Parts: sequence; C-alpha cells; structure tokens
Amino acid sequence: GQQLNQSPQSMFIQEGEDVSMNCTSSSIFNTWLWYKQDPGEGPVLLIALYKAGELTSNGRLTAQFGITRKDSFLNISASIPSDVGIYFCAGPPSGGSYIPTFGRGTSLIVHP
Amino acid sequence: NAGVTQTPKFRVLKTGQSMTLLCAQDMNHEYMYWYRQDPGMGLRLIHYSVGEGTTAKGEVPDGYNVSRLKKQNFLLGLESAAPSQTSVYFCASSYSGTSTYEQYFGPGTRLTVT
Repeated sequence: GQQLNQSPQSMFIQEGEDVSMNCTSSSIFNTWLWYKQDPGEGPVLLIALYKAGELTSNGRLTAQFGITRKDSFLNISASIPSDVGIYFCAGPPSGGSYIPTFGRGTSLIVHP
Repeated sequence: NAGVTQTPKFRVLKTGQSMTLLCAQDMNHEYMYWYRQDPGMGLRLIHYSVGEGTTAKGEVPDGYNVSRLKKQNFLLGLESAAPSQTSVYFCASSYSGTSTYEQYFGPGTRLTVT
C-alpha cells in the first residue's frame, strides 16, 4: 500500500521546548490528518487539512498542508508533559480512495 | 455519547482458539474499520465497512473475518488464533461524505495469543 514516511521516529525533549515533525509521501494527497495517541488509548484526531498551503492551529498545535501536496508538518509550541504520546499522520492518496493510510508515528517524550 | 466502544479490553487466547471482538458506535457513522497496531508498525487496516451488510478487505485481512449486521456494530472474528495475531486491535468509525477521513477510534483491545 501507499507509504507515508514520518520523521523523526522519536523525540526526547525538555518541557517548554517547541517540537516539529513531518510526514512525506511519494504520491499526492488531497487530505492530511494528524492524530495523537496517548499511552494505552486509541488515537484522537488533532487537526484535519483539506487544502494545499493550508495552515491550521488547535491551541499550541499548528499543522500545515504542504504546497506540493506530498507533505505535511506538525508543530507543537511550548511543550508540556501531557504532550507525551505517539503522533500519527494519515491521509487518503488522490484517486478516489476513501480509506486513509497511516504513517508509523513519531513518539514524543517530554522531560519535566 | 459513548463514541466508539470495544469489548473486551483484554484477552488471552491459546493457539487455535477462536474469539470475536465487538465494536459499537453511537454516532450514526456509515463507515467502520478494524486496525491492528504492532510496535513500530503504526496502524494497519484489517477490514472495513462502508455500510450495514457490506465489508471489504484492508491491508492485512488474512486470518480475520468481519460482519456488519447492524449499522452501529462491527465484529472482528479470529477463527483459529495464532501467536502472530498478538496485537492491539482498534476499531474506528467515520461519517461518509467530505469528512469521511476523520476517524473516531475506540480504546483498543489488547490480545495475546500463547
């Protein structure tokens, strides 16, 4: 199936630092989604992006739909301990598929 | 609203045993999905359904069967469990239409096959 490459695989940061992660694909995507999975829980949708170039914020989180439509970025400002978890990007490749593909996730650990 | 619920939360099976995982949603969503999550592998789609009475194979369907007899329920069956099916299983649901890609996930079922 279609591969989404997320980087970095893991991040270890200090509380208060800003975080950046990204997701790339070899194919064009029409939608990008970012989810967060808390330890022991199911993923929860953070941000959905539907237009190339779109920049959307949700509190301290900001996500962007890349202009090439082959990438997306998620930034977290002023990290706090509850930001710990796995962040997944997802999206349906163009061509009519309504089944999103998921990246393998970026694991974030925040040290107090 | 309870959202998406999964039963059971934990289960241990012996190789060759069978079981059914139940997913229920109260959001009147058309689409439902079953994923498995293994360390470092992300979420892999097992089967999905676009409506009551319909099912389709995902990326890793072998060894699993599903049924969607009611709109709000999606069942995942393992007929003869194997150790390779040790995993965490997530159910998800979504609307049809423009927001169909926005999935709501259940809390997961942790399955161990010995």
